Amino acid sequence: DIQLTQSPSFLSASVGDGVTITCRASQDVSSFLAWYQQKPGKAPKLLIYGASSLQSGVPSRFSGSGSGTEFTLTISSLQPEDFATYYCQQVNNYPLTFGGGTKVEIK
Amino acid sequence: EVQLLESGGGLVQPGESLRLSCAASGFIFTNYAMSWVRQAPGKGLECVSVISASGGSANYADSVKGRFIISRDKSKNTLYLQMNSLRAEDTAVYYCAKHRDRTGQTEGDFWGQGTLVTVSS
Repeated sequence: DIQLTQSPSFLSASVGDGVTITCRASQDVSSFLAWYQQKPGKAPKLLIYGASSLQSGVPSRFSGSGSGTEFTLTISSLQPEDFATYYCQQVNNYPLTFGGGTKVEIK
Repeated sequence: EVQLLESGGGLVQPGESLRLSCAASGFIFTNYAMSWVRQAPGKGLECVSVISASGGSANYADSVKGRFIISRDKSKNTLYLQMNSLRAEDTAVYYCAKHRDRTGQTEGDFWGQGTLVTVSS
């Protein structure tokens, strides 16, 4: 199975800050990587697919990059509604796997 | 508007069975792969099972292989997860998700609200 390692697992930031979350895959997943946002008690929401394509309706302050084994999710200017947990997922190989998550909290 | 409504969760004892359902609407059900993703209390996400748009192929996490069966009924626009020989470690919120296209190797672009399964004696 492909393991996805996210870093950091927790980050504290202020409204207006730019933040970057990293996802490293244990083997090459090409560009078959997605990012999700999850708020407490809610279902995950797709933000980015194909490593860098913005899902419809997602604000442009979210962006994704990378290929192969290293990927990043960047939020250019944190808004109050962005405080949540973020997960990466690879869809290159079965079983589809998720990273352990990055919790973004208000400083 | 895409809607996914899960049902069937509840409290069961170890070794028992449960069937989850996910009623889909707002899209052409037979055009998209579907999956079940679970989240244990306070933990991360795990993709339990994926089924292709046709229903002809399915994939399972090692943790549930041989115990869970995913299926879909195109006449009812409903996705199912038959869970047998349940264990305490199966306790989680179970989400159904619609994939972006026919194959399972795509992202989940719409998710249901989840149904809680608790396995405890």
